[in-house]
Amino acid sequence: GENVEQHPSTLSVQEGDSAVIKCTYSDSASNYFPWYKQELGKGPQLIIDIRSNVGEKKDQRIAVTLNKTAKHFSLHITETQPEDSAVYFCAAQPGTYKYIFGTGTRLKVLA
Amino acid sequence: DAGVIQSPRHEVTEMGQEVTLRCKPISGHNSLFWYRQTMMRGLELLIYFNNNVPIDDSGMPEDRFSAKMPNASFSTLKIQPSEPRDSAVYFCASSFLGSVGDTQYFGPGTRLTVL
Repeated sequence: GENVEQHPSTLSVQEGDSAVIKCTYSDSASNYFPWYKQELGKGPQLIIDIRSNVGEKKDQRIAVTLNKTAKHFSLHITETQPEDSAVYFCAAQPGTYKYIFGTGTRLKVLA
Repeated sequence: DAGVIQSPRHEVTEMGQEVTLRCKPISGHNSLFWYRQTMMRGLELLIYFNNNVPIDDSGMPEDRFSAKMPNASFSTLKIQPSEPRDSAVYFCASSFLGSVGDTQYFGPGTRLTVL
């Protein structure tokens, strides 16, 4: 069935270092891949997304890469700051409306 | 825009009681989603509405759960009777079209505790 695997489940980095979160999806029909950041007590907020016709997208310190052949996509955060600490979810959209979410990565940025 | 609005933010109730969660989607969005988030199962889609019509309710756990969308600016998720295993955070999300590549915007959630 449709599945998105996300790794690692927890990630601790020193402030200023980079963080990388990786996701693998199963349905080759997936064409849209959003990333959400969820802070404690809040709903998931979109931070960046990528469509299947693009291999990489960057927005300031955040970038996402997509390898459709391998069915992998990754989130890269550079120059991490304490406010980047949160749970990050990847998702893949295999159909018209449904998102398949990864299990989340808890990122801790140590000051 | 105010974003997706949910109420209440927290709900504590006793087993067997009826619980009603409320959602106001972003104005102009015609697709609405109800999700449940737990540590064990992550984010689960419960039901999807498009133009106020339920399109996919395959994620609704059982008959105790029901959802309505009487108009484009309001939706409810009702649990009757509630059980302790229903304790979770319930999110409402909306999107413009509900189509491929359409971003879903989440509300702040309702944390439900059933004693």
